[in-house]
Amino acid sequence: AQTVTQSQPEMSVQEAETVTLSCTYDTSESNYYLFWYKQPPSRQMILVIRQEAYKQQNATENRFSVNFQKAAKSFSLKISDSQLGDTAMYFCACQGAQKLVFGQGTRLTINP
Amino acid sequence: GAVVSQHPSRVICKSGTSVKIECRSLDFQATTMFWYRQFPKQSLMLMATSNEGSKATYEQGVEKDKFLINHASLTLSTLTVTSAHPEDSSFYICSARVGTVYGYTFGSGTRLTVV
Repeated sequence: AQTVTQSQPEMSVQEAETVTLSCTYDTSESNYYLFWYKQPPSRQMILVIRQEAYKQQNATENRFSVNFQKAAKSFSLKISDSQLGDTAMYFCACQGAQKLVFGQGTRLTINP
Repeated sequence: GAVVSQHPSRVICKSGTSVKIECRSLDFQATTMFWYRQFPKQSLMLMATSNEGSKATYEQGVEKDKFLINHASLTLSTLTVTSAHPEDSSFYICSARVGTVYGYTFGSGTRLTVV
């Protein structure tokens, strides 16, 4: 079973700034995957970035990157050069063999 | 990419009636689908895992007789909320596992309001 914890209910930054969202997780499985999903007001879940736990190299997708600390079970998301369209709920998630479990979410607001 | 179509997007029903929500995988076969429930400003809570051709696996605390899940084909899973009550009002989202290892695609969700 997995648990995912996001300790920042809300965050707000100015456009073009860099912001980091925190996530910690716990799992008893040796093979697992970590994700960040974005949920805009439309409520459609959008995959932002994913990380295979067996890979040491941090994943990057354009302005989005992660800091994966496996020993600490930490998986933070960094958004560089933030844009107004980044305003959304962000969920960290952990997938084991059977389930995808989500954290509580962080509401991110990008201000003009 | 893999697309999951979920219908209806919104539904209003009267207390005591049943409502069916459909999720279809459009361009791939989904042997496993997942049903989530999301309350306002909260996270997605897994309700059940739906496997094609077999009974769904429900999470602890989810009433299997109230939330009937059917996965009769590789492209269709349905969630039926039976004898709906106002407390069943919520946002329901389905997802399908894509590929053999990881990767999920989500439906666009269904907002259910029971009056």
